[in-house]
Amino acid sequence: DQQVKQNSPSLSVQEGRISILNCDYTNSMFDYFLWYKKYPAEGPTFLISISSIKDKNEDGRFTVFLNKSAKHLSLHIVPSQPGDSAVYFCAASGGGSEKLVFGKGTKLTVNP
Amino acid sequence: DAGVIQSPRHEVTEMGQEVTLRCKPISGHNSLFWYRQTMMRGLELLIYFNNNVPIDDSGMPEDRFSAKMPNASFSTLKIQPSEPRDSAVYFCASSPRGQNYGYTFGSGTRLTVV
Repeated sequence: DQQVKQNSPSLSVQEGRISILNCDYTNSMFDYFLWYKKYPAEGPTFLISISSIKDKNEDGRFTVFLNKSAKHLSLHIVPSQPGDSAVYFCAASGGGSEKLVFGKGTKLTVNP
Repeated sequence: DAGVIQSPRHEVTEMGQEVTLRCKPISGHNSLFWYRQTMMRGLELLIYFNNNVPIDDSGMPEDRFSAKMPNASFSTLKIQPSEPRDSAVYFCASSPRGQNYGYTFGSGTRLTVV
C-alpha cells in the first residue's frame, strides 16, 4: 500500500510558465514533507521541505504548499526553466522515525 | 566534502552470483540508508543504520539480502544469490541524525542480473 502517491507520472510545460507537481499521502503520522529532484544517472537531490506546522514554504522559484486536511501537497515552480526538467519525488516522514517514504516520482519536461 | 560515494556505478552479474555494493557516507553523518529504485515500486527503503547499528530492516526483501556497517565510514549491501528480479538502481544516502534536512544521496549503483 503506497503511503505517498504521485498520480501524474509526467508533466510537460512551456518555459516561463508555472509547473505544479502534486502529491497525496495517507499516513496521518507524517509531519515532515520534502521534495527531491533527480537527473538521469544521478542520485536524488534535496530541493525544498515543509513541516506540518506550516502550510507554505518558499525558496526562490520553488514553493511547496501543504493542505493537511486533504493530505495533499504541491510543488510550484515559477517560472519554469529547461534546466528544471527532471524527475521530482515527494517524500514524507513522521512518528519520530527518520525513514523517508517516497512517491514514485513525476517526470517534468520544460520545453524551450 | 565528496558527498556520498557508492561503488561500483554499474554491475552486471549472472544469476546465482554474489553481489556486493559499497557505500561511504558523508563524514559526521550518523544515519545511513539503502534504497532500491525500480519502475514498478519507485524508491523503496531497504534498511537504515544509526551510529552503525541497524534500526529498521523491514524493507529487505528476502534473506538473500544482507547489509552491514562495520564502521562510521563504510557500509555494504550484499545479495547472495542474485536473481534477475534484483535488477534495479541501488542508492545509499546519509544524514545527520535527528535533523530534518533530508538525506544526501549517492549516485547509485545500477545492478543488472542476467
